[in-house]
Amino acid sequence: DTGVSQNPRHKITKRGQNVTFRCDPISEHNRLYWYRQTLGQGPEFLTYFQNEAQLEKSRLLSDRFSAERPKGSFSTLEIQRTEQGDSAMYLCASSLDSNSPLHFGNGTRLTVT
Amino acid sequence: AQSVTQLGSHVSVSEGALVLLRCNYSSSVPPYLFWYVQYPNQGLQLLLKYTTGATLVKGINGFEAEFKKSETSFHLTKPSAHMSDAAEYFCAVITNTGNQFYFGTGTSLTVIP
Repeated sequence: DTGVSQNPRHKITKRGQNVTFRCDPISEHNRLYWYRQTLGQGPEFLTYFQNEAQLEKSRLLSDRFSAERPKGSFSTLEIQRTEQGDSAMYLCASSLDSNSPLHFGNGTRLTVT
Repeated sequence: AQSVTQLGSHVSVSEGALVLLRCNYSSSVPPYLFWYVQYPNQGLQLLLKYTTGATLVKGINGFEAEFKKSETSFHLTKPSAHMSDAAEYFCAVITNTGNQFYFGTGTSLTVIP
């Protein structure tokens, strides 16, 4: 068990550029979550996958955001046409089943200049 | 709908003193409750969880929490604070569908030598 892995750890981009983040969950976990966290706030739910199916998306997730989990293993989160308000820590988590705790990665910190 | 409220965004205690971090939840069904800790530039780490059974739950690093249904509370305690306990602490509740964790806004714990 190597834990949840996220890449990159940090990303600095200019406004208007596209960025993509990757998350590798714990191998036997079929549930994968993306959260966003801004300074002084708790994590906010963005989206959730069970295996390869994206079952729930937050209303916070604008059309510029898209997430995939093509083979039910790793996941990517893409943000198109980034805005300064997208600057945040993006956290990925996985879990074994519906009532199990979330296991978090160390996050990707995005800075949009 | 489920939610959690953490009272006190900042708590300071002296080394060796009692730690008490407050969390109240709102849930229309019996909740599953969690406490997570976050160190700077890292993801969240599970401290402890309450699902069913014993209402006093023991976690890692000497922390424990008690589920009190009558008070809708799940406060986190530790008898004696250590310098290494300085971090951000988040209370979380899971929805009855098991698809979303809702996090509180966090409590920053400072330990004074």
